[in-house]
Amino acid sequence: ILNVEQSPQSLHVQEGDSTNFTCSFPSSNFYALHWYRWETAKSPEALFVMTLNGDEKKKGRISATLNTKEGYSYLYIKGSQPEDSATYLCAFIADSNYQLIWGAGTKLIIKP
Amino acid sequence: ETGVTQSPTHLIKTRGQQVTLRCSSQSGHNTVSWYQQALGQGPQFIFQYYREEENGRGNFPPRFSGLQFPNYSSELNVNALELDDSALYLCASSQSPGNEKLFFGSGTQLSVL
Repeated sequence: ILNVEQSPQSLHVQEGDSTNFTCSFPSSNFYALHWYRWETAKSPEALFVMTLNGDEKKKGRISATLNTKEGYSYLYIKGSQPEDSATYLCAFIADSNYQLIWGAGTKLIIKP
Repeated sequence: ETGVTQSPTHLIKTRGQQVTLRCSSQSGHNTVSWYQQALGQGPQFIFQYYREEENGRGNFPPRFSGLQFPNYSSELNVNALELDDSALYLCASSQSPGNEKLFFGSGTQLSVL
């Protein structure tokens, strides 16, 4: 059974601080890793799709890295703002079977 | 706004009933995936449709079935509803299967009493 773990489960961060959290996934049969942001009362929004070991992607103050050999990805947020408050989900795809296996998410709360 | 719409937004059913949830995909997308999300958990993959054919299925019983229409909109049907089917059902469309970004609708909250 393929399992995707995200840590921490929740995180309180002071506005202006930087933070990061982890997505762990199986290191074999890797095909792609997705990151999504899900704000309350909205739809999940795609942040990154990562496919290559060593990949680094950036979108504004948010960036992500990927290590497929050891099975983890980090999401970084620089200079947290209140609008960054959301649940951040990662999803792993194995061997092009197109099934996304999702983590349970990291709930990020930014304190003003 | 992603352009993916789901209906209805909320639904209350009783155990044993049947339900149909609908999803219209974003323009230009030919792939639709359905997910079930229970409280406190990540979304669970139900199945995916690509050009009107089922293209992958998660660990859900046969009473969960679906359709994709020529305009690439989709339905999720659940027969013989059980209390554990109470969840948020999300639909997502993409340009193709695989490593394309998913564009989600806002979901249908199903309550089974």
